[in-house]
Amino acid sequence: GAVVSQHPSWVICKSGTSVKIECRSLDFQATTMFWYRQFPKQSLMLMATSNEGSKATYEQGVEKDKFLINHASLTLSTLTVTSAHPEDSSFYICSARDRDRGTGELFFGEGSRLTVL
Amino acid sequence: RKEVEQDPGPFNVPEGATVAFNCTYSNSASQSFFWYRQDCRKEPKLLMSVYSSGNEDGRFTAQLNRASQYISLLIRDSKLSDSATYLCVADNAGNMLTFGGGTRLMVKP
Repeated sequence: GAVVSQHPSWVICKSGTSVKIECRSLDFQATTMFWYRQFPKQSLMLMATSNEGSKATYEQGVEKDKFLINHASLTLSTLTVTSAHPEDSSFYICSARDRDRGTGELFFGEGSRLTVL
Repeated sequence: RKEVEQDPGPFNVPEGATVAFNCTYSNSASQSFFWYRQDCRKEPKLLMSVYSSGNEDGRFTAQLNRASQYISLLIRDSKLSDSATYLCVADNAGNMLTFGGGTRLMVKP
């Protein structure tokens, strides 16, 4: 089946530092990947749509200069949280669709739990 | 108003019970619908797609009513392992998935 790998699973950093999270589709190609954020006891909120070879599309209220997204290849998208602050502490999850499947199913990475001290 | 709404629960049911979750969506352009299951501190995983004619997968039955913009999930013979948060998801334009807030289910012995 389609596998999406996300790294790191856990990260703790000091306020003001930048953190990069990687999302890889291991056995399929994904022209589009999605980045979500989930705060405790809340649902997933789409942050941005990452498009291979072009700029990401950000949802309203998400700062593109703070959450840098790069989708350099058909199997890798990265999210960099720049100058992280405690309020950025959250569960960040990426997802992708297998472009060769017609099911519409979205495959999720394992998520990355960010804690900013 | 949220685009996809669900009762957050929690639904506390005994093993073997039948439980039903409802979900409403506001965007009439939504084309496809899914139920995802999310365990605590884990990523969501697809439980089943929802088809207009209704569909069943073992103990799980999903139904869609486009006229009422309503989706349901029925779980029969609940197991302890069914305890999780169930997310109702609407696919609006091929690439845009909107998640409901989730309904938490607790199945007790």
